[in-house]
Amino acid sequence: KAGVTQTPRYLIKTRGQQVTLSCSPISGHRSVSWYQQTPGQGLQFLFEYFSETQRNKGNFPGRFSGRQFSNSRSEMNVSTLELGDSALYLCASSLAAPLVAGELFFGEGSRLTVL
Amino acid sequence: AQTVTQSQPEMSVQEAETVTLSCTYDTSESDYYLFWYKQPPSRQMILVIRQEAYKQQNATENRFSVNFQKAAKSFSLKISDSQLGDAAMYFCAYRSRAAGKSTFGDGTTLTVKP
Repeated sequence: KAGVTQTPRYLIKTRGQQVTLSCSPISGHRSVSWYQQTPGQGLQFLFEYFSETQRNKGNFPGRFSGRQFSNSRSEMNVSTLELGDSALYLCASSLAAPLVAGELFFGEGSRLTVL
Repeated sequence: AQTVTQSQPEMSVQEAETVTLSCTYDTSESDYYLFWYKQPPSRQMILVIRQEAYKQQNATENRFSVNFQKAAKSFSLKISDSQLGDAAMYFCAYRSRAAGKSTFGDGTTLTVKP
């Protein structure tokens, strides 16, 4: 069974640009969540989707957005990039539906560098 | 809002010895899950162990066990017979059963010395 796939793995952008990251969950997983990982801030929750609906959102500005498609694949978008957006963005999928906790399966992450 | 605190940014242990990583959390909920995840250098984060809050018995997975103290809101991870492959960053995580959102601690970097 294929794991969680994130693309691209590495990317470099300049301030003001926008970026779209993609995540393909494990087959059968309908829940996808996104996290930002930085050395100083640890792992910060961005948002969680279940069946194309955003169920939870973290404390990030509106420049960060996401969506989930009918096949459970998810994308997140960051507009007007800032230097502080440089981070490892992790996607995780889960069998869990809302109200049911389950193990998170993580992808390898997309490492974004903003110059 | 729930918070998770890992008070030990770094820990080290001698190979074959035992080490305990600390985690405390703050919540007003009674129904939740707690997890320990492991992130080896430049590798994917994986689940180490899970504990349901309604279960009094501490979870165990081979060399990994937890000490879950619900009243104290403490959830420590004990690694016995430490191996070089245990070297990684360990994250403690809280997941609300109702809200479904996961909250992670800042992580503890574990070094295993041969």
